[in-house]
Amino acid sequence: EAGVTQFPSHSVIEKGQTVTLRCDPISGHDNLYWYRRVMGKEIKFLLHFVKESKQDESGMPNNRFLAERTGGTYSTLKVQPAELEDSGVYFCASSQPGRSYNEQFFGPGTRLTVL
Amino acid sequence: GNSVTQMEGPVTLSEEAFLTINCTYTATGYPSLFWYVQYPGEGLQLLLKATKADDKGSNKGFEATYRKETTSFHLEKGSVQVSDSAVYFCALRGGTSYGKLTFGQGTILTVHP
Repeated sequence: EAGVTQFPSHSVIEKGQTVTLRCDPISGHDNLYWYRRVMGKEIKFLLHFVKESKQDESGMPNNRFLAERTGGTYSTLKVQPAELEDSGVYFCASSQPGRSYNEQFFGPGTRLTVL
Repeated sequence: GNSVTQMEGPVTLSEEAFLTINCTYTATGYPSLFWYVQYPGEGLQLLLKATKADDKGSNKGFEATYRKETTSFHLEKGSVQVSDSAVYFCALRGGTSYGKLTFGQGTILTVHP
Protein backbone atom coordinates (compact mmCIF):
# COMPACT_ATOMS: atom_id res chain seq x y z
CA GLU A 1 0.00 0.00 0.00
CA ALA A 2 1.40 3.38 -1.01
CA GLY A 3 2.04 5.88 1.72
CA VAL A 4 1.37 9.59 1.78
CA THR A 5 3.19 11.30 -1.08
CA GLN A 6 4.07 14.94 -1.50
CA PHE A 7 5.21 16.92 -4.49
CA PRO A 8 7.60 18.56 -5.04
CA SER A 9 10.20 17.39 -2.56
CA HIS A 10 12.00 20.72 -2.82
CA SER A 11 10.99 24.12 -4.16
CA VAL A 12 13.08 27.26 -4.39
CA ILE A 13 11.24 30.44 -5.36
CA GLU A 14 11.71 34.16 -5.07
CA LYS A 15 9.76 36.42 -2.77
CA GLY A 16 6.49 37.42 -4.39
CA GLN A 17 6.14 34.32 -6.51
CA THR A 18 3.47 31.67 -6.17
CA VAL A 19 4.04 28.05 -5.19
CA THR A 20 1.62 25.14 -5.05
CA LEU A 21 2.34 22.08 -2.93
CA ARG A 22 0.52 18.84 -3.46
CA CYS A 23 -0.33 16.00 -1.11
CA ASP A 24 -1.74 12.61 -2.05
CA PRO A 25 -3.06 10.83 1.04
CA ILE A 26 -3.31 7.11 1.54
CA SER A 27 -6.24 5.80 -0.48
CA GLY A 28 -9.45 5.80 1.55
CA HIS A 29 -8.20 8.22 4.19
CA ASP A 30 -10.84 10.89 4.70
CA ASN A 31 -8.78 12.94 7.15
CA LEU A 32 -5.99 15.05 5.70
CA TYR A 33 -3.78 17.41 7.68
CA TRP A 34 -1.21 20.02 6.73
CA TYR A 35 1.62 20.97 9.10
CA ARG A 36 4.68 23.19 8.76
CA ARG A 37 8.11 23.24 10.39
CA VAL A 38 9.94 26.54 10.15
CA MET A 39 13.70 26.85 10.70
CA GLY A 40 14.17 23.82 12.96
CA LYS A 41 11.42 24.85 15.30
CA GLU A 42 8.36 22.88 16.28
CA ILE A 43 6.02 21.40 13.70
CA LYS A 44 2.87 23.49 13.65
CA PHE A 45 -0.62 22.51 12.56
CA LEU A 46 -2.06 24.41 9.61
CA LEU A 47 -5.39 22.80 8.79
CA HIS A 48 -7.48 19.65 8.71
CA PHE A 49 -9.78 18.36 5.96
CA VAL A 50 -12.46 15.76 6.37
CA LYS A 51 -13.05 14.64 2.81
CA GLU A 52 -13.38 17.93 0.90
CA SER A 53 -14.51 20.04 3.87
CA LYS A 54 -12.24 22.13 6.07
CA GLN A 55 -12.78 20.84 9.60
CA ASP A 56 -10.26 23.13 11.28
CA GLU A 57 -8.18 25.86 9.64
CA SER A 58 -7.16 27.61 12.84
CA GLY A 59 -3.47 27.20 12.09
CA MET A 60 -3.40 28.94 8.71
CA PRO A 61 -1.07 31.92 9.20
CA ASN A 62 -2.76 34.42 6.88
CA ASN A 63 -4.78 34.80 3.69
CA ARG A 64 -1.75 34.24 1.48
CA PHE A 65 -2.26 30.53 2.12
CA LEU A 66 -5.04 28.67 0.34
CA ALA A 67 -5.71 24.98 0.80
CA GLU A 68 -8.06 22.93 -1.31
CA ARG A 69 -9.13 19.33 -1.51
CA THR A 70 -11.42 18.97 -4.45
CA GLY A 71 -13.24 15.65 -4.59
CA GLY A 72 -11.87 14.63 -1.24
CA THR A 73 -8.76 13.00 -2.66
CA TYR A 74 -5.50 14.91 -3.09
CA SER A 75 -4.96 18.33 -1.57
CA THR A 76 -3.06 21.42 -2.66
CA LEU A 77 -1.61 24.21 -0.57
CA LYS A 78 -0.95 27.42 -2.47
CA VAL A 79 1.16 30.27 -1.16
CA GLN A 80 0.59 33.53 -3.01
CA PRO A 81 2.58 35.72 -2.84
CA ALA A 82 5.37 33.92 -0.98
CA GLU A 83 7.32 35.75 1.71
CA LEU A 84 10.71 34.96 3.24
CA GLU A 85 9.13 33.70 6.48
CA ASP A 86 7.20 31.04 4.56
CA SER A 87 10.40 29.02 4.14
CA GLY A 88 10.27 25.68 5.90
CA VAL A 89 9.19 22.09 5.51
CA TYR A 90 5.51 21.45 4.81
CA PHE A 91 4.19 18.07 5.93
CA CYS A 92 0.99 16.37 4.97
CA ALA A 93 -0.62 13.58 6.97
CA SER A 94 -3.70 11.43 6.53
CA SER A 95 -5.75 9.12 8.71
CA GLN A 96 -8.61 6.71 8.30
CA PRO A 97 -12.20 7.87 8.10
CA GLY A 98 -14.42 8.19 11.10
CA ARG A 99 -12.67 9.14 14.26
CA SER A 100 -10.20 11.96 13.89
CA TYR A 101 -8.14 10.25 16.55
CA ASN A 102 -6.89 7.50 14.25
CA GLU A 103 -3.14 7.36 13.67
CA GLN A 104 -1.85 9.99 11.28
CA PHE A 105 0.54 8.82 8.56
CA PHE A 106 2.94 11.47 7.37
CA GLY A 107 4.48 12.19 4.01
CA PRO A 108 8.19 13.04 3.56
CA GLY A 109 7.48 16.75 3.38
CA THR A 110 8.13 19.52 0.86
CA ARG A 111 11.06 21.78 1.63
CA LEU A 112 10.19 25.33 0.53
CA THR A 113 12.87 27.98 0.28
CA VAL A 114 11.83 31.57 -0.43
CA LEU A 115 14.72 33.82 -1.50
CA GLY B 1 -3.42 26.49 24.70
CA ASN B 2 -1.57 23.22 24.33
CA SER B 3 2.24 23.18 24.18
CA VAL B 4 5.10 20.68 24.21
CA THR B 5 8.67 21.33 25.31
CA GLN B 6 11.52 18.98 24.42
CA MET B 7 15.10 19.02 25.56
CA GLU B 8 17.21 20.80 23.03
CA GLY B 9 19.73 18.87 21.03
CA PRO B 10 21.59 17.75 19.25
CA VAL B 11 22.28 14.64 21.27
CA THR B 12 25.35 12.62 20.35
CA LEU B 13 25.91 9.17 21.82
CA SER B 14 28.08 6.16 21.29
CA GLU B 15 26.48 2.88 20.28
CA GLU B 16 24.99 0.94 23.23
CA ALA B 17 24.70 4.08 25.37
CA PHE B 18 21.55 4.89 27.34
CA LEU B 19 19.24 7.49 25.83
CA THR B 20 16.86 9.91 27.50
CA ILE B 21 15.07 12.71 25.66
CA ASN B 22 12.98 14.83 27.98
CA CYS B 23 9.50 16.01 27.06
CA THR B 24 7.04 18.02 29.13
CA TYR B 25 3.65 19.33 28.11
CA THR B 26 0.91 21.79 28.96
CA ALA B 27 -2.65 20.87 28.07
CA THR B 28 -6.16 21.08 29.38
CA GLY B 29 -8.01 17.89 30.08
CA TYR B 30 -6.48 14.53 29.32
CA PRO B 31 -4.36 14.56 26.18
CA SER B 32 -2.89 11.60 24.35
CA LEU B 33 0.90 11.68 24.06
CA PHE B 34 3.13 10.53 21.22
CA TRP B 35 6.71 10.19 20.09
CA TYR B 36 7.35 10.46 16.36
CA VAL B 37 10.64 9.76 14.61
CA GLN B 38 11.91 11.12 11.31
CA TYR B 39 14.73 9.19 9.67
CA PRO B 40 16.79 10.99 7.02
CA GLY B 41 14.83 11.54 3.81
CA GLU B 42 11.62 10.07 5.20
CA GLY B 43 8.38 11.28 6.71
CA LEU B 44 7.47 11.20 10.38
CA GLN B 45 6.63 7.79 11.77
CA LEU B 46 4.75 7.09 14.94
CA LEU B 47 7.20 5.50 17.37
CA LEU B 48 4.99 5.01 20.40
CA LYS B 49 2.00 6.48 22.19
CA ALA B 50 0.14 6.59 25.50
CA THR B 51 -3.46 7.63 25.91
CA LYS B 52 -3.91 7.92 29.68
CA ALA B 53 -1.97 8.58 32.85
CA ASP B 54 0.57 5.89 33.87
CA ASP B 55 0.36 4.19 30.48
CA LYS B 56 3.70 3.09 29.08
CA GLY B 57 4.21 3.19 25.34
CA SER B 58 6.94 1.00 23.87
CA ASN B 59 8.31 0.07 20.47
CA LYS B 60 11.69 -0.98 19.01
CA GLY B 61 13.28 -0.88 22.47
CA PHE B 62 12.08 2.67 23.15
CA GLU B 63 9.80 3.42 26.10
CA ALA B 64 7.94 6.41 27.49
CA THR B 65 5.59 6.67 30.48
CA TYR B 66 2.72 9.15 30.68
CA ARG B 67 3.29 11.01 33.98
CA LYS B 68 0.36 13.28 34.72
CA GLU B 69 1.76 14.51 38.03
CA THR B 70 4.88 15.87 36.34
CA THR B 71 3.23 16.47 32.93
CA SER B 72 6.05 14.54 31.29
CA PHE B 73 6.57 11.85 28.65
CA HIS B 74 10.31 11.24 28.52
CA LEU B 75 11.68 8.91 25.84
CA GLU B 76 14.21 6.27 26.90
CA LYS B 77 16.18 3.46 25.32
CA GLY B 78 18.62 1.27 27.15
CA SER B 79 21.07 0.67 24.31
CA VAL B 80 21.01 2.83 21.19
CA GLN B 81 22.19 1.73 17.77
CA VAL B 82 23.60 3.67 14.86
CA SER B 83 20.31 3.06 13.05
CA ASP B 84 18.49 5.07 15.75
CA SER B 85 20.07 8.26 14.42
CA ALA B 86 17.11 10.47 13.52
CA VAL B 87 15.04 13.44 14.67
CA TYR B 88 12.61 12.68 17.50
CA PHE B 89 9.44 14.69 18.11
CA CYS B 90 7.24 14.64 21.17
CA ALA B 91 3.60 15.49 20.49
CA LEU B 92 0.20 15.63 22.09
CA ARG B 93 -3.36 15.47 20.90
CA GLY B 94 -5.84 17.33 23.03
CA GLY B 95 -9.28 16.00 23.89
CA THR B 96 -11.17 18.49 21.75
CA SER B 97 -8.69 19.18 18.98
CA TYR B 98 -10.29 17.14 16.18
CA GLY B 99 -7.15 15.09 15.91
CA LYS B 100 -4.61 17.85 15.28
CA LEU B 101 -1.24 17.28 16.88
CA THR B 102 0.84 19.77 18.86
CA PHE B 103 4.57 19.07 18.51
CA GLY B 104 7.73 19.92 20.34
CA GLN B 105 10.69 21.37 18.49
CA GLY B 106 12.39 18.06 17.80
CA THR B 107 15.65 16.55 19.04
CA ILE B 108 18.38 15.42 16.67
CA LEU B 109 20.01 12.18 17.81
CA THR B 110 23.30 11.00 16.32
CA VAL B 111 24.72 7.65 17.36
CA HIS B 112 28.36 6.86 16.55
CA PRO B 113 29.78 3.32 16.22
